[in-house]
Order: sequence, then structure tokens, then C-alpha cells
Amino acid sequence: DADVTQTPRNRITKTGKRIMLECSQTKGHDRMYWYRQDPGLGLRLIYYSFDVKDINKGEISDGYSVSRQAQAKFSLSLESAIPNQTALYFCATNEPGGYGYTFGSGTRLTVV
Amino acid sequence: QKEVEQDPGPLSVPEGAIVSLNCTYSNSAFQYFMWYRQYSRKGPELLMYTYSSGNKEDGRFTAQVDKSSKYISLFIRDSQPSDSATYLCAMSADFNKFYFGSGTKLNVKP
Repeated sequence: DADVTQTPRNRITKTGKRIMLECSQTKGHDRMYWYRQDPGLGLRLIYYSFDVKDINKGEISDGYSVSRQAQAKFSLSLESAIPNQTALYFCATNEPGGYGYTFGSGTRLTVV
Repeated sequence: QKEVEQDPGPLSVPEGAIVSLNCTYSNSAFQYFMWYRQYSRKGPELLMYTYSSGNKEDGRFTAQVDKSSKYISLFIRDSQPSDSATYLCAMSADFNKFYFGSGTKLNVKP
């Protein structure tokens, strides 16, 4: 099994719909992150959580919400999807003081 | 101004060539530097990391940091078709927040 698992891998949804992207990790790390990746813009941080009770907004949190259900699970919701939220979404985890993230394989979301 | 700038490419080279990938940054507080490799339809994977200025070598890969110029590089020697991917630089001042470049797409032709 992958260290970080994201579901679904691909999703097409309609404007105005609520959608949830799920992430689970087996690394045992407290820190988890949600990023979106757009061509030419790179990875942008949406939300991050340093432990189950600590959730923080990133640089582009508007239109998104998150839930940290357990150390291993971190979900991202789009309350009312809009077309400019079409992107590749990545969940990641790392340990405090750790150089690198472990990323999931991503969810490709298309909002039509 | 973006914190980290990276030429998006694409960069196309013949097999066996030396590849140079670069990023510039504006925040002098950055002291931890990383390179990720991302294959198509996959998440980024950490390739190399360095602390402060200097060079670090790992097999065919060399990471170089010049803090005085706010410039980092990744060199790939004897490039292979399997190196074809998007390479992202990332950096941090304190491990609490990481800033990513937009990625350079590399194509190594057999």
C-alpha cells in the first residue's frame, strides 16, 4: 500500500456541487497538507494541519474547507465547486524538521 | 513577486547530456533547499535536499546552492530517458512552510 493514499484519482463534477477529496497516510506523521497544482503556478498550499486539533489556512483557502478526522486522515471539501477549482490536488505529510514531503498520487478534479 | 521562480521549460536534451535545472528566490531566510521529481500522473518525490550553501552529490545528481546569489541548481549527468519528468525546487526557512517553484519539464530523448 502507498504511504499516502488519495481518493478518488479522478473526478468530474458540476458547478455548485459539494465534493470531498479524501487522504489517508500510514507514515504515522502528525503533519498533513493539501496542495493544488496548476500549470505554470506550481504547488499552492490550501490548508495544513500540524496535529488533529491544529488546522490552518494556507495561501488559497477560500472556497475550501478541511476535516482532520484522525492522525491518519485529512479530507478536503469544496463547498460549492466552481470551474476555476479545476486542478490537480495533492495531499502530503511530513515529520517536524523533516526535509521532504511524502505526497499522494493526486486527485484530478474537473469542474464543469 | 513570487517567492520562488523556475523556468517551466520544456527542456529537451539527447540521452547522455548534462542537464542543468535552476531556481531563483527572493527570501534570504531560506536555508533548506530541496528538489523533487514528478512523473506524469504521479505525486512529486523528494530527490535531493541541501542545507545552506554548497554542493551535494548523489550518484548522477548534484545539487548546488549559492545563497549570495539566491540561486540553486540541480545537475544531472549522463541523462537517461527515465529522467524525463518535471523537476520542482522547494525551499524553506524553518521547515514549517515550504515554497515551491512551478517546475521544469525535462525530456531526455533516446
